Amino acid sequence: GQNIDQPTEMTATEGAIVQINCTYQTSGFNGLFWYQQHAGEAPTFLSYNVLDGLEEKGRFSSFLSRSKGYSYLLLKELQMKDSASYLCAVMDSNYQLIWGAGTKLIIKP
Amino acid sequence: GAVVSQHPSWVICKSGTSVKIECRSLDFQATTMFWYRQFPKQSLMLMATSNEGSKATYEQGVEKDKFLINHASLTLSTLTVTSAHPEDSSFYICSASSGRDMETQYFGPGTRLLVL
Repeated sequence: GQNIDQPTEMTATEGAIVQINCTYQTSGFNGLFWYQQHAGEAPTFLSYNVLDGLEEKGRFSSFLSRSKGYSYLLLKELQMKDSASYLCAVMDSNYQLIWGAGTKLIIKP
Repeated sequence: GAVVSQHPSWVICKSGTSVKIECRSLDFQATTMFWYRQFPKQSLMLMATSNEGSKATYEQGVEKDKFLINHASLTLSTLTVTSAHPEDSSFYICSASSGRDMETQYFGPGTRLLVL
């Protein structure tokens, strides 16, 4: 079966760095996505990785290792507004998104 | 960037009534639209995938006669929850992708449905 695993909840301090991991097993692979979702709102796109390596976009970076079925989202210089759920999703061979359950990130001052 | 709108943003209705939710791609043609449902503290669950001009493909366990999906044009898809019941109360989110860019889905803001 298809499976996406990510931690349920993480806590970090304002100004610090946090890494959210995601491991996956899917039928085919057409890219891995990270989305941010604030409570009561729809997800917003953060990053897309289809090749191995690190993609940096401002304070957020995303890493992919296809051989290991592994990705992480790195958030630097954490701000209170970064408190949200972070969803990892993999697009399978049918271009269907398989979603993880999300990681709730709590930022403390 | 690509914008997807949903209407209404929230709705409260009585049990037994039908509710229609619209999803529109405002600045691009969406050959494929997706409908998701999200219960509190849970991840998104894909309900169905619809391609313009053809019947929607429903995920296992989703009743196609209860959740009617119409994708009549390249910019509009509708989800109708027929004879809604309290257990249908949820956050419904649509997303859209263009034919040229299957890897990217653009999400609407979501519709919160409360059935009393």
